[in-house]
Amino acid sequence: AQSVAQPEDQVNVAEGNPLTVKCTYSVSGNPYLFWYVQYPNRGLQFLLKYITGDNLVKGSYGFEAEFNKSQTSFHLKKPSALVSDSALYFCAVRRLMAGNTPLVFGKGTRLSVIA
Amino acid sequence: DTGVSQNPRHKITKRGQNVTFRCDPISEHNRLYWYRQTLGQGPEFLTYFQNEAQLEKSRLLSDRFSAERPKGSFSTLEIQRTEQGDSAMYLCASSHREGTGGNTIYFGEGSWLTVV
Repeated sequence: AQSVAQPEDQVNVAEGNPLTVKCTYSVSGNPYLFWYVQYPNRGLQFLLKYITGDNLVKGSYGFEAEFNKSQTSFHLKKPSALVSDSALYFCAVRRLMAGNTPLVFGKGTRLSVIA
Repeated sequence: DTGVSQNPRHKITKRGQNVTFRCDPISEHNRLYWYRQTLGQGPEFLTYFQNEAQLEKSRLLSDRFSAERPKGSFSTLEIQRTEQGDSAMYLCASSHREGTGGNTIYFGEGSWLTVV
């Protein structure tokens, strides 16, 4: 069965510094990978996804993620963090060729950007 | 396109009562999903529909839970004889069916349930 791991419960970064939120996945075959963000008491907002092609995926709000098949990772990155980026971030996976079946989510990483 | 709509947004109920949540998906989406999220956890899959057909139910969906999508449009999630452990946010999401799996799932704002 597919799964994702987000090894850090919390990431703290100073405003203006680059940020990385880590995600590793486990799936048989090739994956579809997604990142979502959740602000307090809100639903999840889609940031970006990897389907195929270029390993570097660009998404909303200046975020990007790099797919690394050998390391089974899909880390979320942003060159310069903003205080408004403070939120809960979730990585999710769907098995390739599974059709549009439900996503499997990690436990989430809380990002805190300090001014 | 108004996005995925859920109501009520908040519900406080006494243990043992029944509650029902409604979800209106994005209009052209034929797949609808229900997830549950508790504090400190990621969303956990409950069930999903293709039009009016319920395709899969998670082991998390006990007999007290029932979901319907009667005309392939809106969906309801009912919890009977609520327990304190049911306190969570219930998330609805929708997507297109077509394709091999790259379609994005779009979430609503969630419905918070507190069982006292």
